Amino acid sequence: SSELTQDPAVSVALGQTVRITCQGDSLRSYYASWYQQKPGQAPVLVFYGKNNRPSGIPDRFSGSSSGNTASLTITGAQAEDEADYYCNSRDSSNNHLVFGGGTKLTVL
Amino acid sequence: QVQLQESGPGLVIPSQTLSLTCTVSGGSISSGSYYWSWIRQPAGKGLEWIGRIYTSGSTNYNPSLKRRVTISVDTSKNQFSLKLRSVTAADTAVYYCARERNWGVDFWGQGTLVTVSS
Repeated sequence: SSELTQDPAVSVALGQTVRITCQGDSLRSYYASWYQQKPGQAPVLVFYGKNNRPSGIPDRFSGSSSGNTASLTITGAQAEDEADYYCNSRDSSNNHLVFGGGTKLTVL
Repeated sequence: QVQLQESGPGLVIPSQTLSLTCTVSGGSISSGSYYWSWIRQPAGKGLEWIGRIYTSGSTNYNPSLKRRVTISVDTSKNQFSLKLRSVTAADTAVYYCARERNWGVDFWGQGTLVTVSS
């Protein structure tokens, strides 16, 4: 099986830029998708594929990928961006969906 | 816009079967190249993919749950369902149904808390 590794917690000053990373072998074959989850709510897709942002997601959210690492960048973080962020991808051996452990983003 | 809504008991007795249904609205469950999936999240923990079904009926399951899980679809009702057998307290979680694409999940249900307890 494939695993995706995320830093448990990251913090950013209000208005600054933060990068949240996701590492795993499957990312050499598949792009990551990224989800934002606020307490008591379902996850929301914020970025996917090579360069896709769903309708309604602010353009301060962007994604990138290199080798076995995918990144979600928030340029000019806002207070409302404080949340848990999860990456996911496909297991390259069986096409199953795998999630990273999540990163708790604190906006200071 | 597609909407998904989970329904089912919020309390399940240990060793019994957890049964949930997801009702899809705003589009036919049979149209498009989508998978229909179940994902769960224990309190304070991360997301765990349980499995998926395609409208043809083909299924894929998380290996860690495969021997206990069955996902089925009822296209006439625009619903798909989850059955998880022989539950324990470790199966207590918020269960989400979702629409899965080749690259991930684009629509989620609001989630339903299922507690396993006697």
